[in-house]
Amino acid sequence: DTEVTQTPKHLVMGMTNKKSLKCEQHMGHRAMYWYKQKAKKPPELMFVYSYEKLSINESVPSRFSPECPNSSLLNLHLHALQPEDSALYLCASSPLTGSNQPQHFGDGTRLSIL
Amino acid sequence: DQQVKQNSPSLSVQEGRISILNCDYTNSMFDYFLWYKKYPAEGPTFLISISSIKDKNEDGRFTVFLNKSAKHLSLHIVPSQPGDSAVYFCAASASSGTSYGKLTFGQGTILTVHP
Repeated sequence: DTEVTQTPKHLVMGMTNKKSLKCEQHMGHRAMYWYKQKAKKPPELMFVYSYEKLSINESVPSRFSPECPNSSLLNLHLHALQPEDSALYLCASSPLTGSNQPQHFGDGTRLSIL
Repeated sequence: DQQVKQNSPSLSVQEGRISILNCDYTNSMFDYFLWYKKYPAEGPTFLISISSIKDKNEDGRFTVFLNKSAKHLSLHIVPSQPGDSAVYFCAASASSGTSYGKLTFGQGTILTVHP
């Protein structure tokens, strides 16, 4: 069982819809991450939050909007997505950023854009 | 520019034998290396890691070796079991510089362990 929980597991949305992906961890980790993974490719970092503040944005388009309401929760708000945004979206957490401690991943949300 | 490379897309091994997965990196700022296993429809699961101050780390059937001069690391699984069949990702991070706080992944190697 993963200790990072992501909901929903699957999401199908149109290009004009607004939806949100949610991620939750109760390990007391202070760093949380969003990754995007396309088929047969490795995960690619999108955002990093450290102590609930955005510390890294890997030049992600503004149609993706992250939010960290508290130390246990991480959201990814989606609006006006494109078909090429269809992918597996992974959330991860670690005790701190930059420390030699592993990131732990959730099982992801499989997103399909119609 | 791929900073972490896994040149073998796939590896097939007999049950009970050793599996060796390889990974090369180019960024000399990387000082922490990890291996993840991924099953279909699941997120990556952390397996084992190694800091650049070490050249070997062992955890049960899994051993990671680091050769800093060659910028190469490998994961040894012995004995291999059918349940080890998965995609294995090598990843690296740095404690300073532009890669600080980020994980950079290799392309992955599909391991198949035959009974």
